[in-house]
Amino acid sequence: SQKIEQNSEALNIQEGKTATLTCNYTNYSPAYLQWYRQDPGRGPVFLLLIRENEKEKRKERLKVTFDTTLKQSLFHITASQPADSATYLCALFSGGYQKVTFGIGTKLQVIP
Amino acid sequence: EAGVTQFPSHSVIEKGQTVTLRCDPISGHDNLYWYRRVMGKEIKFLLHFVKESKQDESGMPNNRFLAERTGGTYSTLKVQPAELEDSGVYFCASSLGREHSPLHFGNGTRLTVT
Repeated sequence: SQKIEQNSEALNIQEGKTATLTCNYTNYSPAYLQWYRQDPGRGPVFLLLIRENEKEKRKERLKVTFDTTLKQSLFHITASQPADSATYLCALFSGGYQKVTFGIGTKLQVIP
Repeated sequence: EAGVTQFPSHSVIEKGQTVTLRCDPISGHDNLYWYRRVMGKEIKFLLHFVKESKQDESGMPNNRFLAERTGGTYSTLKVQPAELEDSGVYFCASSLGREHSPLHFGNGTRLTVT
């Protein structure tokens, strides 16, 4: 069956370091992948999109990689700040753009 | 631009009662989605509207759930009768529907069935 795996355990890092979050998937052939941020009591907010033919995408302090051979995406936040503390969700789009499947999310805590 | 709004933000009802959730998408967004997050689980797809038509309702749990989108504007999701396992956070999202369009989420309705 199709599966998206994100480390559901919290990731704690020191302010200023680079945070790396992992999204692995099985039995998917996603056309593209998105990353969202979710704060407590709020809905997810879109951050970045990467297509299957792209290896890497950057936006300010954020970087996403997409390896369709490994079936994995990595999400990096460089020079992390306490304000980056949130849950980060990866989402896969396949079989047309309408239906989106989300991972459970990884909670990131940036310690001052 | 106003974001996606959902009402109510919280609802506590007893098993067997009826609840109706409302979602107002971003103006101009033809695509509207309902998702649900049960505690400790991932956000799961319920259904997708394109304007007033149901494009995909494969995620709807059972026939106690009824979604409508009158006139292709706001949408309602009715649960009747509610069961304990229906508790969770119900999210609505909208998008332009073009390829790669991101989803814009509301802040959800937290439903508790006691």
